[in-house]
Amino acid sequence: DGGITQSPKYLFRKEGQNVTLSCEQNLNHDAMYWYRQDPGQGLRLIYYSQIVNDFQKGDIAEGYSVSREKKESFPLTVTSAQKNPTAFYLCASGLGQGSIYEQYFGPGTRLTVT
Amino acid sequence: QKEVEQNSGPLSVPEGAIASLNCTYSDRVSQSFFWYRQYSGKSPELIMSIYSNGDKEDGRFTAQLNKASQYVSLLIRDSQPSDSATYLCAVNNQAGTALIFGKGTTLSVSS
Repeated sequence: DGGITQSPKYLFRKEGQNVTLSCEQNLNHDAMYWYRQDPGQGLRLIYYSQIVNDFQKGDIAEGYSVSREKKESFPLTVTSAQKNPTAFYLCASGLGQGSIYEQYFGPGTRLTVT
Repeated sequence: QKEVEQNSGPLSVPEGAIASLNCTYSDRVSQSFFWYRQYSGKSPELIMSIYSNGDKEDGRFTAQLNKASQYVSLLIRDSQPSDSATYLCAVNNQAGTALIFGKGTTLSVSS
């Protein structure tokens, strides 16, 4: 089955700990994205990557880091510097060609930091 | 910051009626427009994409685009209770590298 997987579905951490969220896709998509969604809010872009070994900051990159060592994988690390890390984190992928940017989402990871 | 605006709702319609969801965007150079459906607690699902002025139909869904008015809409015909969800409008950013999402409109279809 082709698709995007995110793990784990739920994640609980203590304040001050770094945590890494996994995102894998087997759709052969070039572009991958990380979004954050808070209750009653739209999706806010954290980081995105158009090709392997390259990524750009989105609107709310502070306190987050990413890597793109393989086309299929785009892990997100939530660092202790992120002031309000509790949120629903969504990974997406897309062909990333030209101006046609259909994006497909994984099931998401709910992170709770206490 | 370029914006995508949606009425948060809730929009309530009876089963079998037409639901009309609206979205405006601020960047005139936007070329790609998308509608996503998000059920409570789930991730967004792409249901429609539109790139040219006019209407695009797919089953019970019709997307309408008016670039001059910077307006895109989604019509859902014969609404069903299973259509109850939040609908997100998305538009490509100026660089064409990512999407900008509205906050979504919550639709409630009553049986």
